[in-house]
Order: sequence, then structure tokens, then C-alpha cells
Amino acid sequence: IAGITQAPTSQILAAGRRMTLRCTQDMRHNAMYWYRQDLGLGLRLIHYSNTAGTTGKGEVPDGYSVSRANTDDFPLTLASAVPSQTSVYFCASSDGPPGNEQFFGPGTRLTVL
Amino acid sequence: AQKITQTQPGMFVQEKEAVTLDCTYDTSDPSYGLFWYKQPSSGEMIFLIYQGSYDQQNATEGRYSLNFQKARKSANLVISASQLGDSAMYFCAMRGAVSGGYQKVTFGTGTKLQVIP
Repeated sequence: IAGITQAPTSQILAAGRRMTLRCTQDMRHNAMYWYRQDLGLGLRLIHYSNTAGTTGKGEVPDGYSVSRANTDDFPLTLASAVPSQTSVYFCASSDGPPGNEQFFGPGTRLTVL
Repeated sequence: AQKITQTQPGMFVQEKEAVTLDCTYDTSDPSYGLFWYKQPSSGEMIFLIYQGSYDQQNATEGRYSLNFQKARKSANLVISASQLGDSAMYFCAMRGAVSGGYQKVTFGTGTKLQVIP
């Protein structure tokens, strides 16, 4: 089934631990994004990638890193998790120029204690 | 800078009636696009409708239509004949010009719609 998959679905993590959220799409979209969704704040862009091999910072990049080794995968890493990173994380992709309709993954609910 | 404002945190609508969800935006970009997404309680984000700033006609997709008033900078979502399955959170979003290497997409804070039987 075409779309975006994210793993894990949910995770409880101790503060200070390293965590990688996985995102894979099979639509061959060039652009991929990571958002965090917090109550009352909507979705905020963490990092983006316009094409394989390139990445960039969004609105709230601090504490997160990404890589884009190929078209399909766009992992998000928290090097040393902090409680303020408790959130729901969505991966998205879009075809053509960045900003076209974005297709979203099912999300990862992360709790940092 | 671009901004999306959704002033209705929550709304109720009777089943089979129409409902309008408000969205206003602010941007200095001459070319931009407006989106609406639905997020049911299961959590996934579902694309509903898109309107380009130069589109002459309001976008429609089935029971969804976007009431685009450019001069007022509003892009309200109209859902006709509400169904129980329409109960969800709705997000308005805007894409603007390329800034910092990407075409920024800004989301509003959402409106929670509840359809009453």
C-alpha cells in the first residue's frame, strides 16, 4: 500500500537517551518533512529535505537532527531527549516543488520522562 | 512572515447541516496556496482541499468547499450536509514563497468540530 510509514507508533523514553524516529515513503516524493504537533500550537516544522542528500532546518530544529541518504527514508534523531520533546511527531512528503500537498504518516507519540 | 489564524477552538453542528470553519491568513508573498487538513481522533492527517492564490474559482471537493476571499485574506472551509464521521480536528495551512531553502508551510492551531446526531 502506497504511503508513509513511521516507527515506532509510540515510545516512552528516559531523558538523556538517544532516539531515532523512522520514516519511510514509497511514493518517490522528492520532499520530506518532520513536524511536531503540540496541543494549542498546531504543527511546527522541525526539519525538511527537498531531495535526497539535502536537509534543512525548519522552525524548531534545536535538539533534532535528520539525514536523507536516499529518496525513501528520512529518520529523525533526538541526540539527548528532554521532556519538552514530548510530542506527536509526523513525517510528511510531497511531490514536485516543496509546498505542494503533503501526505502525512500516522505519527509517533513520544513521551520523554 | 506568514501566519494562519483559526479563531474557533471548537464548534458543534447538527448532523446534515452545513458548517463553516474560519481561517484567516497573513502573508506578503504574491503567490501562495491554502490547504485544509482533517485529523480524526485516530490521529492521521488527511488532506481535504487546496486553493491557489491565483485560482479564479473557489475550490470544491465533494462536500468540502473553500470560500476564498482574497481581499479579506480568508480561506474558510465549508462542509455541507455534515456527517458524524466529520467530527475531527481541522487545520488550515498555507504555503508561501521559498524562504531559507524551502517553501514554508504554516499550520493554524486547529478547530475541533463535533457533529451532533
